[in-house]
Amino acid sequence: SQELEQSPQSLIVQEGKNLTINCTSSKTLYGLYWYKQKYGEGLIFLMMLQKGGEEKSHEKITAKLDEKKQQSSLHITASQPSHAGIYLCGADREYGGSQGNLIFGKGTKLSVKP
Amino acid sequence: NAGVTQTPKFQVLKTGQSMTLQCAQDMNHEYMSWYRQDPGMGLRLIHYSVGAGITDQGEVPNGYNVSRSTTEDFPLRLLSAAPSQTSVYFCASSIAGGTYEQYFGPGTRLTVT
Repeated sequence: SQELEQSPQSLIVQEGKNLTINCTSSKTLYGLYWYKQKYGEGLIFLMMLQKGGEEKSHEKITAKLDEKKQQSSLHITASQPSHAGIYLCGADREYGGSQGNLIFGKGTKLSVKP
Repeated sequence: NAGVTQTPKFQVLKTGQSMTLQCAQDMNHEYMSWYRQDPGMGLRLIHYSVGAGITDQGEVPNGYNVSRSTTEDFPLRLLSAAPSQTSVYFCASSIAGGTYEQYFGPGTRLTVT
């Protein structure tokens, strides 16, 4: 079965610093989703990647899906306290979509020190 | 649109009690899913549905039942609660037919004593 491994598990950065979170899959990624979760709350959708080499940005967050489609990275530029939370990557279990059946990594907990 | 709503927000049960977690969406999404989130385990899929009348098991289905009589609602039933079912439960929905974002509800925090 497919597994998603996120690294690092947790991260503490000084405000203004850049950071990268990785998501590595044991199988080819057909659809890769990044979500953010604030403590005790639901998941907020950030970005979705499908094609190898694809890169998307929203405000100061950039996500990439590597050419071989087995790893994605999430990069935050000039981090702010509002970026703090848990970042989760999720993936379709099969080509063409998962029918609502995603697999998730265990998450990366990000803390930003003012 | 209210999006995906879940009730209750918090619940405490005693071992052996039964209850139903409610989930509803008003976006006319075909796909709906239930996940549980435990510390250090990420999100794990319990059950999912691709449309009214159709459900299937996910990774951790034991101890849970679901049914989907309407497009809007997807309740999760705990038949006989166990401490191992203490968790945060999330319901999600998405459009059918491809790779689309899943919309998540705010979660239900369940404690079984």
